[in-house]
Order: sequence, then structure tokens, then C-alpha cells
Amino acid sequence: DTAVSQTPKYLVTQMGNDKSIKCEQNLGHDTMYWYKQDSKKFLKIMFSYNNKELIINETVPNRFSPKSPDKAHLNLHINSLELGDSAVYFCASSQDLWGVGDYGYTFGSGTRLTVV
Amino acid sequence: KQEVTQIPAALSVPEGENLVLNCSFTDSAIYNLQWFRQDPGKGLTSLLLIQSSQREQTSGRLNASLDKSSGRSTLYIAASQPGDSATYLCAAYSGGYQKVTFGTGTKLQVIP
Repeated sequence: DTAVSQTPKYLVTQMGNDKSIKCEQNLGHDTMYWYKQDSKKFLKIMFSYNNKELIINETVPNRFSPKSPDKAHLNLHINSLELGDSAVYFCASSQDLWGVGDYGYTFGSGTRLTVV
Repeated sequence: KQEVTQIPAALSVPEGENLVLNCSFTDSAIYNLQWFRQDPGKGLTSLLLIQSSQREQTSGRLNASLDKSSGRSTLYIAASQPGDSATYLCAAYSGGYQKVTFGTGTKLQVIP
């Protein structure tokens, strides 16, 4: 019944590893996003994916790459993990790009990534 | 560049009190503004979405207003309850490929 689900909920890994976070939405939305929430609770957009068009925040290191096998899924792959990557990562979706329509955003519950 | 500020960063009130949370944005040319709540260790739950053509939205005990000209939005919570304790975030969308900008949130604690 969950609208936007992401797995895993918690992820602890060593520096230098490669990891993936999965996200799935069952809302039929056209756009999906990845956000990073830092230790100060500030949310920053990383990627948006709309109708096979990827929009990338230029501040995101290229070690981060989104993969969308279909409209309902947007996974986040991270290569060569660094200590500074530790954060909570949120997946979100919206019917219209940037939630312009009537329903705004729907967020997943987040993945807390800890790099040691 | 849009900047969104939420003051205060933390707020503690006794149960039953009516309260107002503030959200200020620097670019008044927004398309919409959304209020969320975030519970510890959990994701964001959408509360209210106000389009630029609207002045307020209501859901139960919550009322959100939008004043684009002054760059402000407020979230009014009536008769607060301990279950309202959470962090409240506002997010402003400025249009085009500009990103949605989130505030840093107000952490609310309602004391029984």
C-alpha cells in the first residue's frame, strides 16, 4: 500500500565500496527524484527523472548515478563511497515535474547511509 | 537564487495551544509552496500544497496561507496535540528547471 518505497532503510558500509539504493512508486507519477538530507536537515535535490529525461544537479559528484529501468523505479548507485556521503537519502515522486500540479510531492521514508 | 528560511528553528508549546510556523522565501515568483512534516527517522509527509493563485489551504486543524508579495507562508496549527510533535518543512518551487528549495525546518514539541 506504500506509495513511495525505498530500500534499504539503513545502510552501513565502508569507504570505497559501491552501493545502491532502490526506489519504487506505485502512484503512476511521471517524475521521480532523489534528495539528500544533510546533518542540518537541509534537503537538496540530486536528480530528477521525467519521461526519460534526466536533470542533474551540477553539484552532485559523478560517483552518484541514477538508474531508471521503468517509470515506476529510480535507483541510486553510488561508487567509491566517501565519509562525506553519510546522510539520509530520500526518494520522491510527483505527477508533474517539480510537483507543479495539484498534488505536489510524495516522499519515501528515507535511507540512512553511514560510511565508516 | 531562491532562499527559504524557517524561524524559529525549534518551538516548544503546551498542549492545546494554537501556534503559527513561519516560512520566508526570497524569490516571490513561485509556482507553489508545500508544507511537510518529518517524524524522527521517517520520511516527509505532505500536509498542504498551495498554488501561487491560492491564498490558503485547510486540512483539519491545519491552515496554510501564502502571501507571495511579502515572500511569506504560515502554517497555523489549532489546538495542538502531542502527536503534532515533529519537524515541519516548507518547500518553494520557483518554476522551470529551477529546483524546489526546502527550508531547514521548525522542530515542534507539544508538551502534554
